Amino acid sequence: SQTIHQWPATLVQPVGSPLSLECTVEGTSNPNLYWYRQAAGRGLQLLFYSVGIGQISSEVPQNLSASRPQDRQFILSSKKLLLSDSGFYLCAWRADGYEQYFGPGTRLTVT
Amino acid sequence: KQEVTQIPAALSVPEGENLVLNCSFTDSAIYNLQWFRQDPGKGLTSLLLIQSSQREQTSGRLNASLDKSSGRSTLYIAASQPGDSATYLCAFRSGGYNKLIFGAGTRLAVHP
Repeated sequence: SQTIHQWPATLVQPVGSPLSLECTVEGTSNPNLYWYRQAAGRGLQLLFYSVGIGQISSEVPQNLSASRPQDRQFILSSKKLLLSDSGFYLCAWRADGYEQYFGPGTRLTVT
Repeated sequence: KQEVTQIPAALSVPEGENLVLNCSFTDSAIYNLQWFRQDPGKGLTSLLLIQSSQREQTSGRLNASLDKSSGRSTLYIAASQPGDSATYLCAFRSGGYNKLIFGAGTRLAVHP
């Protein structure tokens, strides 16, 4: 069966520091991968999606970037964090039937 | 603009009640609609996926319906239990890369 992992689970970072969040999927090949952010009191917002290695599409302009160095690895990064980057970051993958499955999430607090 | 509205925003009921959660969307050309459950501080758990060609899907005590023409979906929870307490999110797929548009969710509390 397929499993999706995210780490770290929680992170507290000062403004201006770099960020790297990792997502890996097991049990499937060449999945479509997604990064979402859930800000306090708001719905989920799609940040990036990837259909393959090195293929990244951005949904909204922001202080973040994404990379996919391996088939089942998706990384969310920032060179300098802003207070507004705080939130709950969720990685997801898409199954063949178009159902999306989500990871456990990373809670990021920028201080 | 593509939007999803979920009503009610919050719901508190005694154990054993049958519940209906509502979801309305603005795009009638959706590919599918998915219902999720989110426990506090956790990721999303997929509950049901309804393809655009389907009218409903069932899983255990859960039944979800889809009416594309009216832009509505409902999630029916039978015989609610305290373990059903969570936030329920609906999202529809729009576009070829499977982008999901989410509602803000319905926060459900089932008390013994």
